[in-house]
Amino acid sequence: GEDVEQSLFLSVREGDSSVINCTYTDSSSTYLYWYKQEPGAGLQLLTYIFSNMDMKQDQRLTVLLNKKDKHLSLRIADTQTGDSAIYFCADPSGYSTLTFGKGTMLLVSP
Amino acid sequence: EAGVTQSPTHLIKTRGQQVTLRCSPISGHTSVYWYQQALGLGLQFLLWYDEGEERNRGNFPPRFSGRQFPNYSSELNVNALELEDSALYLCASSKDDRGSYNEQFFGPGTRLTVL
Repeated sequence: GEDVEQSLFLSVREGDSSVINCTYTDSSSTYLYWYKQEPGAGLQLLTYIFSNMDMKQDQRLTVLLNKKDKHLSLRIADTQTGDSAIYFCADPSGYSTLTFGKGTMLLVSP
Repeated sequence: EAGVTQSPTHLIKTRGQQVTLRCSPISGHTSVYWYQQALGLGLQFLLWYDEGEERNRGNFPPRFSGRQFPNYSSELNVNALELEDSALYLCASSKDDRGSYNEQFFGPGTRLTVL
């Protein structure tokens, strides 16, 4: 079945760039998503990318998609302590449901 | 616009008991999704309801069930609770499932602890 893999932990210093990586198996998805979960909260859609795009930039966020390798990445420029959260890559699997990776915990230290 | 709401926020039950979790979608949304976020397992899809019907089901036993009401709110029922059911249960809603872009908006979740 559908599988989404992410590294589990990333630690950076404030002001550095963060890169969170994800690999997926379902190549038929039209969109791929990044969600953010802050401590004690639900999930918030951070950004998404069409499968026919290679890159999408949204302020400090850059999403890169390599369809050949089924690799998705999220780059956060000038990472702030408020960016500390768990980041989930999600791939629509089948009809309407989302398959999530296990999440990458981003820890930003001052 | 009010977001997705869930109740209760926290719940403690013992093994073998039954629990009902509730979700109210964003006004105008007809689809409701339930996910389980258990420690170490990430987010797993449980159930999807649309227009009152169960449309899809994840790989969970039949003791996980639910329903969607005419006002599109939804309940998740878990019977014969087991320790491994301890998790954060997240509800999400979306506006239109027919298109290819279908943003799901998540509620804050219900934290269930089974002792």
